[in-house]
Amino acid sequence: GNSVTQMEGPVTLSEEAFLTINCTYTATGYPSLFWYVQYPGEGLQLLLKATKADDKGSNKGFEATYRKETTSFHLEKGSVQVSDSAVYFCALTNTGGFKTIFGAGTRLFVKA
Amino acid sequence: DAGVIQSPRHEVTEMGQEVTLRCKPISGHDYLFWYRQTMMRGLELLIYFNNNVPIDDSGMPEDRFSAKMPNASFSTLKIQPSEPRDSAVYFCASSLGGGAYTEAFFGQGTRLTVV
Repeated sequence: GNSVTQMEGPVTLSEEAFLTINCTYTATGYPSLFWYVQYPGEGLQLLLKATKADDKGSNKGFEATYRKETTSFHLEKGSVQVSDSAVYFCALTNTGGFKTIFGAGTRLFVKA
Repeated sequence: DAGVIQSPRHEVTEMGQEVTLRCKPISGHDYLFWYRQTMMRGLELLIYFNNNVPIDDSGMPEDRFSAKMPNASFSTLKIQPSEPRDSAVYFCASSLGGGAYTEAFFGQGTRLTVV
C-alpha cells in the first residue's frame, strides 16, 4: 500500500542554520508529493508540491525535489528563521485516487 | 474568502454524550474531507465527500461515527456515544477537484476532549 515515512523530530536548529527533513515514500503508480506545514493552533497549509519525477517544488525559501529513483522528497531550506518553527508533514496522493496519505510529521524548533 | 471554517474550536464533553462537529468549506469547492489527528496515529482520513455525496468512509473508526453533508456549504461529523479514546483534533478540509494534483485547504480544527 501507499505510505510516507519522515524523520522523527523534534529538530532543533539555530537561526540561519541549514534545514533538511527527510521523507521517503512507498506507492504504486506515479503519486504527487506534497509538503504541508502546521503552525501552532492552526490547520495544515500547503507549503510546496511536485507532481512528477525530477520536479522541484519551492516556496518561501523551502525546496524539495521529487526523486523517483530513491523514492524521496526531502525538504530543505538554506537559512531557517524563528518563524519557521512548526510541524512539517510530507504527503502523497496517488494518481486515480483522492486519498492523501500523510507522514507522522516532524516538529521544527528554531532558536534565535 | 474566509477559508474553511470549523466550529467549535474546542469541545469538552463527558463520556457517553453526543458530539457534533461542524464545517463550512470554501465556497465552490466540490470535495470535503474529515481528518482526525492524534499523537499516536498521526493524521487519518475518516471520510470524504464529492458534491455532497459520501465517497469513501472506510476510515471511519466505528459505527459511533457518522458524517453528513446536507448541502455544498455545510458538513457535520457526529460521535454518539463519545468515548475518551475519541479525544483528538478533528480537521475538515476542502478542495476544488480531488485529483492527485489538488491542494487541500484545512480548517483550524476542533480539539475534542472526552472525559
